[in-house]
This record gives sequence, structure tokens and C-alpha cells, in this order.
Amino acid sequence: GAVVSQHPSRVICKSGTSVKIECRSLDFQATTMFWYRQFPKKSLMLMATSNEGSKATYEQGVEKDKFLINHASLTLSTLTVTSAHPEDSSFYICSARAPRGLGETQYFGPGTRLLVL
Amino acid sequence: LAKTTQPISMDSYEGQEVNITCSHNNIATNDYITWYQQFPSQGPRFIIQGYKTKVTNEVASLFIPADRKSSTLSLPRVSLSDTAVYYCLVEGTGFQKLVFGTGTRLLVSP
Repeated sequence: GAVVSQHPSRVICKSGTSVKIECRSLDFQATTMFWYRQFPKKSLMLMATSNEGSKATYEQGVEKDKFLINHASLTLSTLTVTSAHPEDSSFYICSARAPRGLGETQYFGPGTRLLVL
Repeated sequence: LAKTTQPISMDSYEGQEVNITCSHNNIATNDYITWYQQFPSQGPRFIIQGYKTKVTNEVASLFIPADRKSSTLSLPRVSLSDTAVYYCLVEGTGFQKLVFGTGTRLLVSP
């Protein structure tokens, strides 16, 4: 089956620094990837849709200058949290769609735990 | 985007069958119903997907009535390791984004 990886799995950074998270589709090409954020005991919240070769589409309330998304190839999307603050601490998950059975579905990465001190 | 509604939590014991029902009243003709499982600090994992009637795989069954406005995930003989959050989602074709509901937090006790 399709596999999506994320790197790093866990990162701790100081307030004010920037952190880059990578999302890779390992055995399939993904023209579209999605980035989610999840707070403890809460559901996944879609942040943005990452489109290969074009600008990402951000959900309402998500600052595009704060969360930079680059989808430079068909297998890689990156999320950069710029000037991170403690309130950005969260679990970030990416996903990509691929065929499964009669339709398609999303394959999720393992997630990245970000802690901003 | 079809909104889904499911119970926030359920409790069960090892060896029991667990049925989690999800409502999706405004599902579109081309939409599929997909269930995901999520453990703490992990990404969601695909469990099962269906369009209508009944689908069964090695871990679960999915029952979808004719009107497709609801679906029921059935987990046979749950174990402690089935303790997780289960999300019901409606997925369309193409690159539609997914909107996650609250999910159902299943707790399996000895």
C-alpha cells in the first residue's frame, strides 16, 4: 500500500526560530497533499492543501505567512513554521491521496510533534 | 463537504463486538464512506471503505443502508489494542479535502 513519511517525528525549538517539517510520498506521486494540526484530545484540523507546482490553499484562520508550504516535487511537501511561538506547539500530520480499491482515499503520515519553548 | 456525526465516546470489554454508527445526511452520489483509526501521537490509519451495503475485511465490517445517510463500523471481538479514536469520513473523488469530525473515542477494558 501507499506510504507517507514525515520528518522529523519530533522537534523541540526555541521561541522565535523556524522549523521545517517534510512530508514524503514514498511509493506514489502526489500532486496534492494536505497538512493538519491536532491539539491534545482534539480532532484533526485541516490547515492547508498543498499543490505541486503552485501555491497552497489555506483554510480560514490559518496564516499563510506563518505556515509556509512548499510542494516542490510530486513526492515532497514541506511545512515551515516561521517564528514559532509556544502556542504553535502541536502535532502536525500530512496526508496524500492515492487510489485504493474502487476509489481513492488519503494516506496519512505518522505525524510530527512540535514543542516550542 | 458532507458533515459527519458520531458518538464522542464508547466503552467496551475485551471479546465483545463493538458497533459505531455515523450519520452523514448530506452525502453525495459519488462519495465513499471511510473509517480511520488513530492511536495517540500517530497519524490516522485506514480501516475500511465502502459505498453501499456491506464491506468486510480482515479487521472490520462496514454496514451502509440503502439511503447511505448513515454507516456502522463493526469491530468483532475487540481487544485492548483496539482502544483508539475512530473517525468516520465521507470522501469524494478527485482531490477533495477531508473534514474531520469529533471521532469516537473507544475504550476497551479487560
